[in-house]
Amino acid sequence: DVKVTQSSRYLVKRTGEKVFLECVQDMDHENMFWYRQDPGLGLRLIYFSYDVKMKEKGDIPEGYSVSREKKERFSLILESASTNQTSMYLCASSLPLGGNYGYTFGSGTRLTVV
Amino acid sequence: KNQVEQSPQSLIILEGKNCTLQCNYTVSPFSNLRWYKQDTGRGPVSLTIMTFSENTKSNGRYTATLDADTKQSSLHITASQLSDSASYICVVSPNTGGFKTIFGAGTRLFVKA
Repeated sequence: DVKVTQSSRYLVKRTGEKVFLECVQDMDHENMFWYRQDPGLGLRLIYFSYDVKMKEKGDIPEGYSVSREKKERFSLILESASTNQTSMYLCASSLPLGGNYGYTFGSGTRLTVV
Repeated sequence: KNQVEQSPQSLIILEGKNCTLQCNYTVSPFSNLRWYKQDTGRGPVSLTIMTFSENTKSNGRYTATLDADTKQSSLHITASQLSDSASYICVVSPNTGGFKTIFGAGTRLFVKA
């Protein structure tokens, strides 16, 4: 059963901490994405990557960075967590051309910053 | 501006009843439209995908329709079950590249026994 695995379901971090969210996919997909999901809003793209060591900013990259050292792993980094980054974070992967093939999502990480 | 609007925001129905969820979009040019189901605390799971040339697509008790002229899609759920309680998200991809996918805010469906 192919899947996207996010390392943590729930995280509680303090303001100012550096936070790492990890995502691993076993489908050999080229594209990987990080979204955040907030009540009443659609998923918003933070960053995406179309190849190892390649990354592109999405719609809301401020306060975040990413790392893709291996094809199967895409990490989201909050350099200095703030309370407005409390959210559900979803990782996804897809074949090339992204939207035309659909995404496979992970189960999400619910991050609370206190 | 490309947008995806879903209605209603939430819906409560009795088990066994049918329901229809709506999605209007302004994305142009249009490539494909997908419906996802998201259980509470889980990531979205794909239900259907339609290109601009398709009018309908079924997946079990789920049937999606698409009218590319009016830029409207609907998701019809037949004989609802308690396990259908979830958020349903409409997702539209423009024909300008694979990364500019736009997500609707979702419809929260509650199925009661």
